[in-house]
Amino acid sequence: GDSVTQMEGPVTLSEEAFLTINCTYTATGYPSLFWYVQYPGEGLQLLLKATKADDKGSNKGFEATYRKETTSFHLEKGSVQVSDSAVYFCARDNAGNMLTFGGGTRLMVKP
Amino acid sequence: DTGVSQDPRHKITKRGQNVTFRCDPISEHNRLYWYRQTLGQGPEFLTYFQNEAQLEKSRLLSDRFSAERPKGSFSTLEIQRTEQGDSAMYLCASSRTPAYEQYFGPGTRLTVT
Repeated sequence: GDSVTQMEGPVTLSEEAFLTINCTYTATGYPSLFWYVQYPGEGLQLLLKATKADDKGSNKGFEATYRKETTSFHLEKGSVQVSDSAVYFCARDNAGNMLTFGGGTRLMVKP
Repeated sequence: DTGVSQDPRHKITKRGQNVTFRCDPISEHNRLYWYRQTLGQGPEFLTYFQNEAQLEKSRLLSDRFSAERPKGSFSTLEIQRTEQGDSAMYLCASSRTPAYEQYFGPGTRLTVT
């Protein structure tokens, strides 16, 4: 079935470091791809999305490019802040319906 | 938009009891989804509604689980004869139409003792 695989955490970085969180998905159909973020004690928030191959989603300095040839949607940020500490989830939709999520990657940014 | 709301935020119950959770979606969102999230894992799909019609249920949704959305607005998720394995965060999300982004509520954390 459809699945999403993302790198296990935790990822620990110093402030202003470069961030990459890897995400790959199964290639069935033509899914839209998403990154959600969950800050401590809060619900899931949509961070960014891309709906077709080569689209780039971006928000709050985060970016991810829909790569059909490698079935990937890696999340990147050029300079992380302490406030970016959270759990990040990669997800794909299924025919525009329910979402399939990866297992989540915890990011910890130290001052 | 006031966002998706869920009630209660926390529920502790004894094994074998029944529990019911409520979700109020963003107004005018006709899609409503239920997911379950266990500690350290990503959310897993349970079921979804288009208006009042329940369109799909996951294999995760055993016959002890039932969900309704009687007037196409709020939804309830009931778990009968709870088991310790039901302990999880139950998330509700809504979207305007299919293929639009889903907005999540804060979740209901269920602990079965």
